[in-house]
Amino acid sequence: AQSVAQPEDQVNVAEGNPLTVKCTYSVSGNPYLFWYVQYPNRGLQFLLKYITGDNLVKGSYGFEAEFNKSQTSFHLKKPSALVSDSALYFCAVRDRGDYKLSFGAGTTVTVRA
Amino acid sequence: DGGITQSPKYLFRKEGQNVTLSCEQNLNHDAMYWYRQDPGQGLRLIYYSQIVNDFQKGDIAEGYSVSREKKESFPLTVTSAQKNPTAFYLCASSIELTGSNQPQHFGDGTRLSIL
Repeated sequence: AQSVAQPEDQVNVAEGNPLTVKCTYSVSGNPYLFWYVQYPNRGLQFLLKYITGDNLVKGSYGFEAEFNKSQTSFHLKKPSALVSDSALYFCAVRDRGDYKLSFGAGTTVTVRA
Repeated sequence: DGGITQSPKYLFRKEGQNVTLSCEQNLNHDAMYWYRQDPGQGLRLIYYSQIVNDFQKGDIAEGYSVSREKKESFPLTVTSAQKNPTAFYLCASSIELTGSNQPQHFGDGTRLSIL
């Protein structure tokens, strides 16, 4: 069985401050990990993924994520948040060789000007 | 531009009515998926298809049906047996079902409401 937890329903930050969205996962084997962003009434847009190798993954729009195997975490980060980063963020995990992609419940990010 | 097109964007269902949500992709992907999104619950898998003329139930298939007659198309029917159909429905596709580390690509969704 695999699962994803996003412990914060909401994250509020001021523009220009660092942004972190937390994600922990559980899989029986080795994971593929993904972050997606969703704007209102739109589909999910892919931000970045971890497959193997370097634990720090860089993605779209200045986002990055750090894979930590011992803590089974894959937190999303952005050094300097923008108002336009306000959206719903989803973490997802897939066990290698499996078909199913499991999503967290989502974290709503609000960046105030 | 390659992508996934879902239609209609908004749909209303009357009591006892079946409605069909369209999903078309021009990404040449083999695998396609239907998800249901409810507030605070993330995405739940309804059905998925690995290849033409083949599809499998996901976690919440009751009250739904699908077909995959063409590689590009994966329509979802919400039947009258689905007693709580109000939700945002997302279609997705990926290069293949398993063995690939590529992400799923999503359409812009259909919002279904009860009249």
